[in-house]
Amino acid sequence: GAVVSQHPSRVICKSGTSVKIECRSLDFQATTMFWYRQFPKKSLMLMATSNEGSKATYEQGVEKDKFLINHASLTLSTLTVTSAHPEDSSFYICSAKQAAPYGYTFGSGTRLTVV
Amino acid sequence: RKEVEQDPGPFNVPEGATVAFNCTYSNSASQSFFWYRQDCRKEPKLLMSVYSSGNEDGRFTAQLNRASQYISLLIRDSKLSDSATYLCVVNTNAGKSTFGDGTTLTVKP
Repeated sequence: GAVVSQHPSRVICKSGTSVKIECRSLDFQATTMFWYRQFPKKSLMLMATSNEGSKATYEQGVEKDKFLINHASLTLSTLTVTSAHPEDSSFYICSAKQAAPYGYTFGSGTRLTVV
Repeated sequence: RKEVEQDPGPFNVPEGATVAFNCTYSNSASQSFFWYRQDCRKEPKLLMSVYSSGNEDGRFTAQLNRASQYISLLIRDSKLSDSATYLCVVNTNAGKSTFGDGTTLTVKP
């Protein structure tokens, strides 16, 4: 099946700094990618839908200026957590949709810890 | 009420047991349904899609009841390696996915 590569897998940063997370589709073109965050023992919460060549669509309650999404090519979407705070510490995962019956292919996730 | 609800468990079963998970959804416009498996601190991985006619993949059987708006996952002859969290995923026609909080399964020797 298709592969979505996500980097970094783990990052620790200081409060106030920005962190960029990359998500690449390795063997297919992903016009749409999705960004999720997951808190411990909770499910994935959709943050935003990233569309190639256009602005991302954010879910209610997600700050656009804090979570910057760029989808400049058909194989790369990035999420930048700006001015990170400890409450931003979470597991962030991207996914790309494939044709049925494959559903969504997920990146391996990024565990962000803000200290 | 959550859009997708699952019994969080945990379900603790012995090897060889049969276990079933249910998932209910509130959006009647939901179009497609999936079960994902997530191991601790790993990304979710597609286990199987769920079709209206029901479908089986080895020890796993998934069923959909549109009238009652629920899907189920049955695992037969449980293995230790089946221990994981199982996520129910419901998609609308617009492509939006909603995840359940997951059901945790622990299979013990």
